[in-house]
Amino acid sequence: NAGVTQTPKFQVLKTGQSMTLQCAQDMNHNSMYWYRQDPGMGLRLIYYSASEGTTDKGEVPNGYNVSRLNKREFSLRLESAAPSQTSVYFCASSEAGTSGNRETQYFGPGTRLLVL
Amino acid sequence: AQTVTQSQPEMSVQEAETVTLSCTYDTSENNYYLFWYKQPPSRQMILVIRQEAYKQQNATENRFSVNFQKAAKSFSLKISDSQLGDTAMYFCAFDAFGNEKLTFGTGTRLTIIP
Repeated sequence: NAGVTQTPKFQVLKTGQSMTLQCAQDMNHNSMYWYRQDPGMGLRLIYYSASEGTTDKGEVPNGYNVSRLNKREFSLRLESAAPSQTSVYFCASSEAGTSGNRETQYFGPGTRLLVL
Repeated sequence: AQTVTQSQPEMSVQEAETVTLSCTYDTSENNYYLFWYKQPPSRQMILVIRQEAYKQQNATENRFSVNFQKAAKSFSLKISDSQLGDTAMYFCAFDAFGNEKLTFGTGTRLTIIP
């Protein structure tokens, strides 16, 4: 049981390049999330998906797109990377329903992205 | 909109001592959840403890406990018998019931001194 996995762990991009960050969870969770973490700030929500086939914007969605490929996988795409997108990106998942841990989010190990 | 404030950017304490990290939040919601997450140098976000706002009893998990004051909108984390492995960034987070979107504070960097 790996929990939440993310690939790659580290990536360097040039301004204007595109890339996709991959996330997968094996906990059968309905909800998945993408956050970014910048120095001196907490995590900020980029996009989330409450269920397969649905996605919604979070606090900082500009410059990003997401795809909920299936229940397990939720990808984040940068179409034209900018230096302001240099950050650490975290994927998370949570269980939907009436169980006691419904609201708890479980995080992946993060992807460190550097845009030059 | 919800806001979460952690007013202590950095703290340090001797090993085996007790330390308390502060968190305040602002919300108009009545039903919500509060969390403390730990982020060690590995950057992995690890859930430390959670509290449901409708529960009056403070949550505890081994050496970790919270002091939840709903009227004051305060949610502090107490670490007893601190250990070197507790060295990490600690984030307080808020989630309104049914919202499923976490709002994080800016974190407190805790260093345990041997």
